[in-house]
Amino acid sequence: GENVEQHPSTLSVQEGDSAVIKCTYSDSASNYFPWYKQELGKGPQLIIDIRSNVGEKKDQRIAVTLNKTAKHFSLHITETQPEDSAVYFCAVDSNYQLIWGAGTKLIIKP
Amino acid sequence: NAGVTQTPKFQVLKTGQSMTLQCAQDMNHEYMSWYRQDPGMGLRLIHYSVGAGITDQGEVPNGYNVSRSTTEDFPLRLLSAAPSQTSVYFCASSYSQGHQETQYFGPGTRLLVL
Repeated sequence: GENVEQHPSTLSVQEGDSAVIKCTYSDSASNYFPWYKQELGKGPQLIIDIRSNVGEKKDQRIAVTLNKTAKHFSLHITETQPEDSAVYFCAVDSNYQLIWGAGTKLIIKP
Repeated sequence: NAGVTQTPKFQVLKTGQSMTLQCAQDMNHEYMSWYRQDPGMGLRLIHYSVGAGITDQGEVPNGYNVSRSTTEDFPLRLLSAAPSQTSVYFCASSYSQGHQETQYFGPGTRLLVL
C-alpha cells in the first residue's frame, strides 16, 4: 500500500524566516497532494493542495511544490508569523483514500 | 452553518464497554469519514461513506462499525472497547470525490479506554 513519510517531525524557526516541510510517497498513481494545518485542540484544516498536472502552487505566504518523478512534495512557508505555530500534515490519495504523513510540529520563535 | 459537529468531546470507557460516537454535518456533503489520530502516526482512516446507505472500510476498521442512514449523520460504534482504541477520533466530510477534495473536520472526540 501507499507509504507517506514526512520530515522533519519538529521544526523550529525564527519569526520572519522560512520553513520547509517535505513528504515522500510510494504510489506513482497518486494525483492529489493536500497540506493540512492542525491547531491545538482542533481538527485539521486544509491550507493548500496540488494536483499532479501542476508543479507548483502558491497562496500568499504558502507554496507547495511537487516532483512526481522523485515522488516528493514540499510545503514552503515564508515570512513566518506566530500564528503559523501548529502541526502540519501532508496527505496523498491512494485507492480512494487519503494516506497521511505523521505530522510536523512547527515552532515559531519570537 | 455549524459545519461538522461531534459528540461527545471526551469519554472514558472501561474495557469491554460499547459506545457510539456521533457525527453530523449540515453542508449536504456526500462523503463522510472517520479517522483516529495517535501520537506520531498522523491520521488513519477507519471507515468512510460515499453517500447514504453506502459504507466501506478504511485502513484500520477492526473493532468499529458504521452506518449511514441519512446524508447528515455518520455514527461510529465501538462494539467492545479495548485500551488500544484509546485515541482522538475525528469525523470529516467533503463533496463527492472525498479522497480528492477538501476534508472538513469536526473538533474531535478524545476517548480513553481503561
